[in-house]
Amino acid sequence: GESVGLHLPTLSVQEGDNSIINCAYSNSASDYFIWYKQESGKGPQFIIDIRSNMDKRQGQRVTVLLNKTVKHLSLQIAATQPGDSAVYFCAENSETGANSKLTFGKGITLSVRP
Amino acid sequence: DTGVSQDPRHKITKRGQNVTFRCDPISEHNRLYWYRQTLGQGPEFLTYFQNEAQLEKSRLLSDRFSAERPKGSFSTLEIQRTEQGDSAMYLCASSFGQGNTEAFFGQGTRLTVV
Repeated sequence: GESVGLHLPTLSVQEGDNSIINCAYSNSASDYFIWYKQESGKGPQFIIDIRSNMDKRQGQRVTVLLNKTVKHLSLQIAATQPGDSAVYFCAENSETGANSKLTFGKGITLSVRP
Repeated sequence: DTGVSQDPRHKITKRGQNVTFRCDPISEHNRLYWYRQTLGQGPEFLTYFQNEAQLEKSRLLSDRFSAERPKGSFSTLEIQRTEQGDSAMYLCASSFGQGNTEAFFGQGTRLTVV
């Protein structure tokens, strides 16, 4: 069946270091991917998205890489800050006809050490 | 605040009672989604509206659940005869357009069934 999953449940990084969060997906027909950040007690916050016709997209301090060959997605955060501590989700948007929904992975907790 | 608004933020109810949640999407967003999130998991898709039409419902949405978006603006999610297993965070998201576009989430309604 379709699934979007994350490789590791937690990631601890030193403040100032770069963080890399990885995600695997299984639906080869997926054509749109989003990374969300969720802080405790809050809803998911959009970070960055990428469409399947791209393999890299950059934002402010964040970069998303997409490898369609191995169905792998990663989020890179440069110069990680304490405010980056949160749970990160990758999500796949499967759009068929008029219907659209996000399928989320389990989430990985990023913990930034001062 | 022009983001997605959900009300109430928290709800505690006794088993067997009915509850109703409200979601006000970002103005002019034609798509509205409901998701459910339990602790340690990613959000799970429940249902999706395009304008006032409910286009897709998850198998998670039992017959005790009903969602409406009568005028294509705000939406309500009702749970009848609540069970302890309904305890979760209920998230609403909205997006604009026809293709894959970013979805913005509200802060969620935390439901606790006792």
